[in-house]
Amino acid sequence: DAGVTQSPTHLIKTRGQQVTLRCSPISGHKSVSWYQQVLGQGPQFIFQYYEKEERGRGNFPDRFSARQFPNYSSELNVNALLLGDSALYLCASSRDSQETQYFGPGTRLLVL
Amino acid sequence: KQEVTQIPAALSVPEGENLVLNCSFTDSAIYNLQWFRQDPGKGLTSLLLIQSSQREQTSGRLNASLDKSSGRSTLYIAASQPGDSATYLCAVPDINQAGTALIFGKGTTLSVSS
Repeated sequence: DAGVTQSPTHLIKTRGQQVTLRCSPISGHKSVSWYQQVLGQGPQFIFQYYEKEERGRGNFPDRFSARQFPNYSSELNVNALLLGDSALYLCASSRDSQETQYFGPGTRLLVL
Repeated sequence: KQEVTQIPAALSVPEGENLVLNCSFTDSAIYNLQWFRQDPGKGLTSLLLIQSSQREQTSGRLNASLDKSSGRSTLYIAASQPGDSATYLCAVPDINQAGTALIFGKGTTLSVSS
């Protein structure tokens, strides 16, 4: 079975732009979570979605938003990009919102 | 607020050594703890998940222990190999979130030389 997939793998944007990151969960998984990992730090929780409903939100500004589609894939949107948004963005999926999460390879975002 | 700390931040050992990575957490009200491996620039691979009712979990050369009362977990790697070189992260669920938001430590970067 295919694991969690994310696109694109790398992205370069300039300050003030907007970006959309995509995630496809493992087949049969209905929950998707997003994490931000800045260099040298552990991942920080941004959002979790289950059955297209937001189940959790981390301490991130309103510039960050996400949604989950009927096929359980998900998008993370970041508006008005700042230099500090440069990070590896990780997506994880699980069967439901309480089970073990499986992580994708991440999207590396660089904001110039 | 739950905080997860990993010591040391970096570790270098020769091939064949047995080693221990440490993880501590401030709030003992956890229902599990998970250890992950991360290769440079890559995603996370789950190594071991220990439920709060367990004290140990083993997978091959890896053994993880959990002591909730002291707020500590250790990951023991036996007979280390160069392929074990990676960053190892521990994580606990954030009980203030409805789902399974994980709180991570900063990781221990392991380098095993041949």
